[in-house]
Amino acid sequence: EAGVVQSPRYKIIEKKQPVAFWCNPISGHNTLYWYRQNLGQGPELLIRYENEEAVDDSQLPKDRFSAERLKGVDSTLKIQPAELGDSAVYLCASSSASGVTYEQYFGPGTRLTVT
Amino acid sequence: QKEVEQNSGPLSVPEGAIASLNCTYSDRGSQSFFWYRQYSGKSPELIMFIYSNGDKEDGRFTAQLNKASQYVSLLIRDSQPSDSATYLCAVTPVQGGYQKVTFGIGTKLQVIP
Repeated sequence: EAGVVQSPRYKIIEKKQPVAFWCNPISGHNTLYWYRQNLGQGPELLIRYENEEAVDDSQLPKDRFSAERLKGVDSTLKIQPAELGDSAVYLCASSSASGVTYEQYFGPGTRLTVT
Repeated sequence: QKEVEQNSGPLSVPEGAIASLNCTYSDRGSQSFFWYRQYSGKSPELIMFIYSNGDKEDGRFTAQLNKASQYVSLLIRDSQPSDSATYLCAVTPVQGGYQKVTFGIGTKLQVIP
C-alpha cells in the first residue's frame, strides 16, 4: 500500500513570494490533515478535511494561507505571501474514519525555507 | 497549561536498558493516545496507540495509560541505538463533537552503545 505522498520535498523561496505544497493521502483515507512543525516542536494542526470539507481550520492563518481539497482526495496548501516565520516543515497526514482511534499516517513533509 | 506535556529531554539510556517516556495531558475527556517516533529529518511514524486503561504491549514497546492520573507512558525494553529518536505523544481530546489530535513537543531519546 502506498503511503502519503507529498511534493516538493524541499523549497527555498524569498519572502513575499508564493509557495504551494501538494499532498496525496493513502488510498481510501477520507480524513486529511496539514500540519506545520517547527524545529524542536511537535506538529501543529493547520487544517483538517473530512472528504472535501474543511472541518477544522481554526489554526490556519487565513490572511496568507489557503488550502483546498476539491475532489476529496489530494490537497494543496498555499502561502501567499510567505514570511520569514513560515520557515518550517509542512506535514500532510491522513486517516481512515472507519477506525475508532483515528491513527494518522504522515507523509515525508516539505521543508520550506524562506529567505 | 499545555494540552499535552512532555519533557523535551534528552533522555539518555545505555543499550539494553529500559527507556521510560512520559506524557501528561490536561483534557480529562481525552479518548485516544498515540506514540509516534520521529527520526531526525524524517516525519513522525506511528508506533503505538492505546485507548483503554492499562498496558498494551507490542514487541519491545509497552504503552501504559492511566486516565485517572491523566498520563500515558511508553516503555522501550532492551533499548537499541536504532531507537534513538524523538518520541511524540499525541492525544485526541473531544471538542465540539469531533476529534482532533494534539501533539506534545516530543522527548528526545539517546541510546548509548
